[in-house]
Amino acid sequence: DTGVSQNPRHKITKRGQNVTFRCDPISEHNRLYWYRQTLGQGPEFLTYFQNEAQLEKSRLLSDRFSAERPKGSFSTLEIQRTEQGDSAMYLCASSLKGGMNTEAFFGQGTRLTVV
Amino acid sequence: GESVGLHLPTLSVQEGDNSIINCAYSNSASDYFIWYKQESGKGPQFIIDIRSNMDKRQGQRVTVLLNKTVKHLSLQIAATQPGDSAVYFCAEKGTLHFNKFYFGSGTKLNVKP
Repeated sequence: DTGVSQNPRHKITKRGQNVTFRCDPISEHNRLYWYRQTLGQGPEFLTYFQNEAQLEKSRLLSDRFSAERPKGSFSTLEIQRTEQGDSAMYLCASSLKGGMNTEAFFGQGTRLTVV
Repeated sequence: GESVGLHLPTLSVQEGDNSIINCAYSNSASDYFIWYKQESGKGPQFIIDIRSNMDKRQGQRVTVLLNKTVKHLSLQIAATQPGDSAVYFCAEKGTLHFNKFYFGSGTKLNVKP
């Protein structure tokens, strides 16, 4: 499978615990994005990497959220001290650098449930 | 920020009919648009895109129309099939936003056999 891969697919955690998600983009893609999607809504942008550099962060990304892409390949998204409001689908997408208008391909997402 | 919305939250069509899903956007500076299909429990799947210098683009069974005058985007699906049942999102990107897409809330398409 050469698409965007996310792990785990599902995560249930207790409020206050830390969680970490992983995203493996399409191998030749140097742009990587994280989005969050709640039920019945479209995805909301969280952050964006070009290679290993995190170039943009949404105001939705509170101090409890941190994302990394240390070697410019896979990325991790960590949520510290989870809250019930963090329950959502976390989507990763990747694209090729090739001008401003290139399509982003999404992974299957990680569904987080905070109980 | 930009606002992308959809006129119809749910659309039911008969198998074999054509479907039209509409989307309105508020940022006149948006220059790139994508339609995504999302099936239950899956991530959004790219369907077709269009740049602001175009009015129409066709793919396999799908056509996207862009009316910049009224800031309206539509997705036409020909000969709709049961496998087309999903939620459809339009996403837009502003000229100054290299890779931040804004999504609407989606339209659910139900295809009746």
